[in-house]
Amino acid sequence: DAGVIQSPRHEVTEMGQEVTLRCKPISGHDYLFWYRQTMMRGLELLIYFNNNVPIDDSGMPEDRFSAKMPNASFSTLKIQPSEPRDSAVYFCASRLGRGGWNTGELFFGEGSRLTVL
Amino acid sequence: ELKVEQNPLFLSMQEGKNYTIYCNYSTTSDRLYWYRQDPGKSLESLFVLLSNGAVKQEGRLMASLDTKARLSTLHITAAVHDLSATYFCAVDISGGADGLTFGKGTHLIIQP
Repeated sequence: DAGVIQSPRHEVTEMGQEVTLRCKPISGHDYLFWYRQTMMRGLELLIYFNNNVPIDDSGMPEDRFSAKMPNASFSTLKIQPSEPRDSAVYFCASRLGRGGWNTGELFFGEGSRLTVL
Repeated sequence: ELKVEQNPLFLSMQEGKNYTIYCNYSTTSDRLYWYRQDPGKSLESLFVLLSNGAVKQEGRLMASLDTKARLSTLHITAAVHDLSATYFCAVDISGGADGLTFGKGTHLIIQP
């Protein structure tokens, strides 16, 4: 399996611009998570989906952030308009549902490093 | 609100030494995970601990879980430079939200 695939790996943009981050989860995984990592706040859960349905978006910092999962193999995280404080590494992760032999382990993508000038 | 605390947050040690990283969490959980992150890289799963008393070992790393004390440890034996990385513990709330809550991470530097 190719693992969780994220794009772009690096994005540099100017304040006020729209940013779209993309994620392809591991095939067959029914949970998808978006995390943000910064030095100050560590790893924060932004939102997660189960079977393409958003379950908990309480970690999304503001209305400028939105996420979608139109099908089982694709998700986007959009920031509009972007601000310098959004600069971070955004990770996508996926997993199988808990139960049975499933360990609930998260598998992470390589991350998208966002810099907003 | 679940809190996950790791200590120490920074650790510089010499090769050949032993050391332990601690992970405390504030609410009931029977699943705990350890991840490794190299600079600029993704998070790599190291251990999955699924029950009280669970112990897992891989090479020079050994992880254990005490759910009654809400404590997990990651023990490093005879450290080598290649183990330099940031180590995160993460907790899965029993019957609660589906995401993992991560500690701040322990930045480990192993010097020759």
